[in-house]
Amino acid sequence: DGGITQSPKYLFRKEGQNVTLSCEQNLNHDAMYWYRQDPGQGLRLIYYSQIVNDFQKGDIAEGYSVSREKKESFPLTVTSAQKNPTAFYLCASSLLQQGYGNQPQHFGDGTRLSIL
Amino acid sequence: KNEVEQSPQNLTAQEGEFITINCSYSVGISALHWLQQHPGGGIVSLFMLSSGKKKHGRLIATINIQEKHSSLHITASHPRDSAVYICAVRSRETSGSRLTFGEGTQLTVNP
Repeated sequence: DGGITQSPKYLFRKEGQNVTLSCEQNLNHDAMYWYRQDPGQGLRLIYYSQIVNDFQKGDIAEGYSVSREKKESFPLTVTSAQKNPTAFYLCASSLLQQGYGNQPQHFGDGTRLSIL
Repeated sequence: KNEVEQSPQNLTAQEGEFITINCSYSVGISALHWLQQHPGGGIVSLFMLSSGKKKHGRLIATINIQEKHSSLHITASHPRDSAVYICAVRSRETSGSRLTFGEGTQLTVNP
């Protein structure tokens, strides 16, 4: 079945370490997104990519990096510069919209990152 | 003030009750999404709408573009409907296909 796979489901990081969260989709979607979710807050956009080898910063990109070398994959690296990385991270993908048309976003099951 | 406001933040209902969750937004939009997040964290898209009303099973979503308001209704609620319901909009002013999200409404349906 087509879908989005995020791994791992739970991840622990030591202070000062970089960690990479995986996101893979087999929906042939053009666009991919990374969101962060904190208790009591709405999802906030970290980075998004609409095409291979191109990506844009979202609202809270500081301390994060991404790559889009393949259409199917959009890994997120949480660097040691991110001072408060404990959160739930969601990856999503969608077809690219045309004009004002819209496409629904399909979400993965998320990765919960905690600091040891 | 957030661009997307949901009410109530928390809602507890008895099985069988009719439920309404509200979403107000402050920007011009091209589409509004209703999403469902289960306790494990995964999110499912329920509706995407830009006008009028959509129905899927016991779920109904309506939108009033002039009033910048949308509602999600659940008829004959069931404990399995317990989840966080999230409203999200795509603003006409933002580039790409970015969404702005409300904080979510935690719904608990008791048997």
